[in-house]
Amino acid sequence: KNEVEQSPQNLTAQEGEFITINCSYSVGISALHWLQQHPGGGIVSLFMLSSGKKKHGRLIATINIQEKHSSLHITASHPRDSAVYICAVSPGNYQLIWGAGTKLIIKP
Amino acid sequence: DTAVSQTPKYLVTQMGNDKSIKCEQNLGHDTMYWYKQDSKKFLKIMFSYNNKELIINETVPNRFSPKSPDKAHLNLHINSLELGDSAVYFCASSRLAGGFSYEQYFGPGTRLTVT
Repeated sequence: KNEVEQSPQNLTAQEGEFITINCSYSVGISALHWLQQHPGGGIVSLFMLSSGKKKHGRLIATINIQEKHSSLHITASHPRDSAVYICAVSPGNYQLIWGAGTKLIIKP
Repeated sequence: DTAVSQTPKYLVTQMGNDKSIKCEQNLGHDTMYWYKQDSKKFLKIMFSYNNKELIINETVPNRFSPKSPDKAHLNLHINSLELGDSAVYFCASSRLAGGFSYEQYFGPGTRLTVT
């Protein structure tokens, strides 16, 4: 069992829908990261969280340290949001432990 | 201005050859990383350097050797290339504090194809 589990693995939705991607982890962490990998291959860091909630545009990330769970939400989804979303946790030993990613497709 | 750059972007070579991939960051970060992304799209850490010191050295064949001449550069040299080395290799950089990584900034990737 991976130390970082993401769900769902694949998600297809219609433009405008509210999207939720989940990340559960089994280790103690100092921080959790959400990243986006575009179809072209580029990887971009979206958020780094150690508690609470962060918002950037239509993206919202939350974390519950006690439950070892984080969610990434996308409001008013758009086809350009189609990408792989990756959760990674930092257990405080310089490492990042990566989830397998969630492939999101938003249809017009 | 490119924050993390890698060269080359594409590399096609034959089995048995030796090749290098270069990475440079202009963000002033103290830590750099090499990742391998295989056909299943899973990112795997290979190496990390903090202030030119190797801090992460995952179980990779010793045909792979990283070199960090300074904080802004981390190169990856691969000897005796094998078919299984075909993948996309990403360089990244970040700040480290308290033993954990701040946001990592990624290069565009180098797609290595071994024939």
